[in-house]
Amino acid sequence: GAGVSQTPSNKVTEKGKYVELRCDPISGHTALYWYRQSLGQGPEFLIYFQGTGAADDSGLPNDRFFAVRPEGSVSTLKIQRTERGDSAVYLCASSRTSGSYNEQFFGPGTRLTVL
Amino acid sequence: DAKTTQPNSMESNEEEPVHLPCNHSTISGTDYIHWYRQLPSQGPEYVIHGLTSNVNNRMASLAIAEDRKSSTLILHRATLRDAAVYYCILIIGAGSYQLTFGKGTKLSVIP
Repeated sequence: GAGVSQTPSNKVTEKGKYVELRCDPISGHTALYWYRQSLGQGPEFLIYFQGTGAADDSGLPNDRFFAVRPEGSVSTLKIQRTERGDSAVYLCASSRTSGSYNEQFFGPGTRLTVL
Repeated sequence: DAKTTQPNSMESNEEEPVHLPCNHSTISGTDYIHWYRQLPSQGPEYVIHGLTSNVNNRMASLAIAEDRKSSTLILHRATLRDAAVYYCILIIGAGSYQLTFGKGTKLSVIP
């Protein structure tokens, strides 16, 4: 079946602009995660959704970052007033449910470049 | 936070077995050991996970020390496609979900 998809694959924006990054999880997966990966580092957790609600947003770096999942499927990560330090690959993952025995399936990521 | 320690890099010849070590001396009884790998320009990919017993799947085997303070991911026959960064991750507690990635081990496979 189809895996996790993310759009766009690349996004270049200017400092101060607003961006939206989209994630389509695997159909039927109730858990959805966003991670951010800077060059040369492992991915860092941002936020976790169980269904429509954000169950854990402790990884969001500040209030410029926000994510939604209104119908419990597609999710959008929104970044306001982008800064150069926001440049990274943003990864989305989904799993059938949450829990430490569940594997997470990752999308290919969106590479965000803030000029 | 429970942490893992892995070598920064390893090399293997193609078609030979590879043993990737991971130390997790602060592991507690309900922590799962997960391995993911990340090929160049791709998102991470699940490899295997275990709790106490050794595990096998189509991709790899996971050998867990008796005291659970270390584990080894075994690729039985390395191929060029196995060249990737391999992450050993502890998921803390049975109800947890958050993957905390370190820097992982960069595996190079020599033809």
